[in-house]
Amino acid sequence: QKEVEQDPGPLSVPEGAIVSLNCTYSNSAFQYFMWYRQYSRKGPELLMYTYSSGNKEDGRFTAQVDKSSKYISLFIRDSQPSDSATYLCATQGAQKLVFGQGTRLTINP
Amino acid sequence: DGGITQSPKYLFRKEGQNVTLSCEQNLNHDAMYWYRQDPGQGLRLIYYSQIVNDFQKGDIAEGYSVSREKKESFPLTVTSAQKNPTAFYLCASSPTGLLGYTFGSGTRLTVV
Repeated sequence: QKEVEQDPGPLSVPEGAIVSLNCTYSNSAFQYFMWYRQYSRKGPELLMYTYSSGNKEDGRFTAQVDKSSKYISLFIRDSQPSDSATYLCATQGAQKLVFGQGTRLTINP
Repeated sequence: DGGITQSPKYLFRKEGQNVTLSCEQNLNHDAMYWYRQDPGQGLRLIYYSQIVNDFQKGDIAEGYSVSREKKESFPLTVTSAQKNPTAFYLCASSPTGLLGYTFGSGTRLTVV
């Protein structure tokens, strides 16, 4: 079983839609959770991070962690074509980050 | 500007050759990492280094080698023993003990 599982998609939605991206993880000791955004042929960039359970909001983006079900989510409101990218969830393992497979998202104008 | 520089952006290698990918950072980060990215498989850790002159194998180290002689530099050599080297390679760095990596822009290696 992989430590972090993420549906690779691809996911295609119309502009303005609410997008939900999700991951599950296996190790209940994980405390920090991150979302990275990666544009085509570029390196990933840190989008948001959360600690333990709860929500964190940054503009149109909301990160949510449910430790009881080992489930992490990223919501994008009023999605824009510029949000089209691959989104990777990650969590802090021993000495290194553990990444999900990444979900490729396309926002159609 | 501080950041991570990977070079070259594109690299072509003949079968049987070794190639070295460069990764340099001026962020004063202690830790550096090499990942391989293939379609549908996410990021897979090749090697990482928490401190100069020390490094550890990641999940897919076979066929790769690294060195960490300077804090700023963490080159990756893809050897002829790597059976399927065509991939996108990403280098990252972080301050030790803190979360979140800074990634370079990647090197796309193609075996011809």
